[in-house]
Amino acid sequence: LAKTTQPISMDSYEGQEVNITCSHNNIATNDYITWYQQFPSQGPRFIIQGYKTKVTNEVASLFIPADRKSSTLSLPRVSLSDTAVYYCLVGARSNDYKLSFGAGTTVTVRA
Amino acid sequence: ETGVTQTPRHLVMGMTNKKSLKCEQHLGHNAMYWYKQSAKKPLELMFVYSLEERVENNSVPSRFSPECPNSSHLFLHLHTLQPEDSALYLCASTPGQGARWHEQYFGPGTRLTVT
Repeated sequence: LAKTTQPISMDSYEGQEVNITCSHNNIATNDYITWYQQFPSQGPRFIIQGYKTKVTNEVASLFIPADRKSSTLSLPRVSLSDTAVYYCLVGARSNDYKLSFGAGTTVTVRA
Repeated sequence: ETGVTQTPRHLVMGMTNKKSLKCEQHLGHNAMYWYKQSAKKPLELMFVYSLEERVENNSVPSRFSPECPNSSHLFLHLHTLQPEDSALYLCASTPGQGARWHEQYFGPGTRLTVT
């Protein structure tokens, strides 16, 4: 599993865009990048997954530069309910059943 | 609702008790997981089952015993636990195919307190 590094915490205000960058310098050719969100006392929730360029869904966007050594999760117009821990994971596509969640980034959204 | 249910949601047990946690997934997935999350710590992978076969036992003490009778159900049998085993126990499932191994769906968890 490729090692990931992401900020421990970030603060934001309602209505702002939040961008969380994850570094994964040792990402392998067949690795995918996956992001999860976790609220207190709940299980993590799969948000988005990508391999290269940009992926967008109803929750977030994921930007991956050409060298794939980092990725940025973008949360548009956050609200108080987006306060959570966000995890960046990197792993191989075939039979890589292990996930390493790490400490994640605690995002706090204030009014 | 993620399609993964866990019961009970809360459990208090003494160190000499025997109890079981249950997980059920309604997603048709092929793999299921048990995780432990202690206060302010990252998730710890405990067990992985793929097509009802255990493929991972992450150095978990024998007082935790998993059981996977079919691809939809997963149990965690508990006996003679220690107070440090108090934690949130999370079950997850995944399609288990290609990149979708990393697309895990978690249940709400069981908050376990060992007294």
